[in-house]
Amino acid sequence: DVLMTQTPVSLPVSLGGQVSISCRSSQSLVHSDGNTYLHWYLQKPGQSPQLLIYRVSNRFSGVPDRFSGSGSGTDFTLKISRVEPEDLGVYYCLQSTHFPYTFGAGTKLELK
Amino acid sequence: QVTLKESGPGMLQPSKTLSLTCSFSGFSLSTSGMVVSWIRQPSGKSLEWLAAIDWDGDKYYNPSLKSRLTVSKDTSNTQVFLKITSVDTADTATYYCALSIPFAYWGQGTLVTVSS
Repeated sequence: DVLMTQTPVSLPVSLGGQVSISCRSSQSLVHSDGNTYLHWYLQKPGQSPQLLIYRVSNRFSGVPDRFSGSGSGTDFTLKISRVEPEDLGVYYCLQSTHFPYTFGAGTKLELK
Repeated sequence: QVTLKESGPGMLQPSKTLSLTCSFSGFSLSTSGMVVSWIRQPSGKSLEWLAAIDWDGDKYYNPSLKSRLTVSKDTSNTQVFLKITSVDTADTATYYCALSIPFAYWGQGTLVTVSS
């Protein structure tokens, strides 16, 4: 299985600040069709995960442009600028290039 | 508007078979490209993709659990089912169903506790 390693595990932030979350895969996520199937989710307390970014850098419908994704191959980053209270929770990366699909262990974004 | 809702037994005993239902609206699973997946999350832990079924009836399983999983859908394409045989305490989790890949829409989840 593809191992997805997220860092850091916990990320203290001040409201209005900027943070980055890293996600590294144990093998390249470039599919034979040329696409890279790396996605980002936010799970707020007591809620289901919600899709933020799909295929590395595409914001899902309704996701503010404060969220941006980048990366290639095995190394990916989610950046959140001007952090707002509703951004707090656990962030997960997911790869759907290789079966079985695998998630990272999560990064908890919390207030300093 | 796409909605999904999971339902299950809440609690069951070890060695039994877990049966879950995902009821959805706002899309048809018979539409080309549609896929419904099952994902679970033990309390306080990360997410694990379990299985998926697509518009054509093709099924996909996580190899780590494949021998215990069966995913299916109803003929009206409004429900998807998951069965997990021989459950034990390690199967205690919140079970989600989700639409498409990536998982763009999720149900609220159903908590399943395996306990004697």
